[in-house]
Amino acid sequence: GNSVTQMEGPVTLSEEAFLTINCTYTATGYPSLFWYVQYPGEGLQLLLKATKADDKGSNKGFEATYRKETTSFHLEKGSVQVSDSAVYFCALINTASKLTFGTGTRLQVTL
Amino acid sequence: DSGVTQTPKHLITATGQRVTLRCSPRSGDLSVYWYQQSLDQGLQFLIQYYNGEERAKGNILERFSAQQFPDLHSELNLSSLELGDSALYFCASSVVGIHEQYFGPGTRLTVT
Repeated sequence: GNSVTQMEGPVTLSEEAFLTINCTYTATGYPSLFWYVQYPGEGLQLLLKATKADDKGSNKGFEATYRKETTSFHLEKGSVQVSDSAVYFCALINTASKLTFGTGTRLQVTL
Repeated sequence: DSGVTQTPKHLITATGQRVTLRCSPRSGDLSVYWYQQSLDQGLQFLIQYYNGEERAKGNILERFSAQQFPDLHSELNLSSLELGDSALYFCASSVVGIHEQYFGPGTRLTVT
């Protein structure tokens, strides 16, 4: 079956630090990959996506590259802000249409 | 704002009771999905409807059921509630053939 593994959190960074949140997956076929973000008290927002190998998704300074050879989709940002504090979920979808989520990684950014 | 609406925002009820959660998808989206988010189980897919018909089922209990109406809004019915059903319930919608799903703000259910 499908599964997504994310690095354990929380991740605590100072403002302007470089962020990496690791995500690896197991899936049949050729899944599409996503990062969703959940701010406190809110629903999930789609942050970025990649639909095939070597695609790079990007949005709001965040980037992730679909690496089929390493089955990974690591999230990166060059300079985090306090407003980026949230829980980040890596997810995949294949022909079954249901999203399979990782456990989420809480990011806390301090001044 | 994703364009997906859910009501109510919060729901507190007692064990054994039945509740109905409502979701309106984004304009033009035919698919609706329900997910449960709990501390111990994380985010889990429950069920998908497409244009009124059930399309896929996940880890949905027999005490739970859903439907999608002709105007495309969907309802998730939870019955014989147990303490362990306390969770955030999210609805999401998507366009046909496109994989990204857009989530509503969720309904927080507390069973006491």
